[in-house]
Amino acid sequence: NAGVTQTPKFRVLKTGQSMTLLCAQDMNHEYMYWYRQDPGMGLRLIHYSVGEGTTAKGEVPDGYNVSRLKKQNFLLGLESAAPSQTSVYFCASTQSPHYNEQFFGPGTRLTVL
Amino acid sequence: RKEVEQDPGPFNVPEGATVAFNCTYSNSASQSFFWYRQDCRKEPKLLMSVYSSGNEDGRFTAQLNRASQYISLLIRDSKLSDSATYLCVVNPSVGSRSASKIIFGSGTRLSIRP
Repeated sequence: NAGVTQTPKFRVLKTGQSMTLLCAQDMNHEYMYWYRQDPGMGLRLIHYSVGEGTTAKGEVPDGYNVSRLKKQNFLLGLESAAPSQTSVYFCASTQSPHYNEQFFGPGTRLTVL
Repeated sequence: RKEVEQDPGPFNVPEGATVAFNCTYSNSASQSFFWYRQDCRKEPKLLMSVYSSGNEDGRFTAQLNRASQYISLLIRDSKLSDSATYLCVVNPSVGSRSASKIIFGSGTRLSIRP
């Protein structure tokens, strides 16, 4: 089992460019999450999904869109990147957010110039 | 007041020492609690869940104090490999709505010196 994988691992964008981050999990988990982590601020939830075909906004959704067309994949899109979106992005999945641990991907380090 | 608060540290302790951190939460309805460990430039990984009665896993002990609304993590006989950031995680409710309510603390940095 690969667990949770993320692509790409690193990316540098110019302001205004767009990109998509891909998260894939092979554990058949229902719940998937996208977080961003900035120094001193902990993990902040961007968007999440409670199952295939569903998405919902988290704490900091502005500037991001997501899609969950297949259960194993959760995509995070930046339509027009801004320097404020420079961060480390983590994807996570779990079968039950109440009882079970979240499994995280290795992260994507994004820099927006 | 933040929903989940942790002392950012760093805690700098000698190898073999015992160290403890607390994490306070503001929502008294919170139902489940976890400690995660995050190594530098890596993803968080579950260290242990925190049960109402307290629980122990080797050198690690986690406790929950509902009356004072905090959870704690105690590390005994600390090792160099325990150096990391420890994140507390609080889930305030049960059910599908809880999916969006999981709150991560900002983390406590621990550094073990030889």
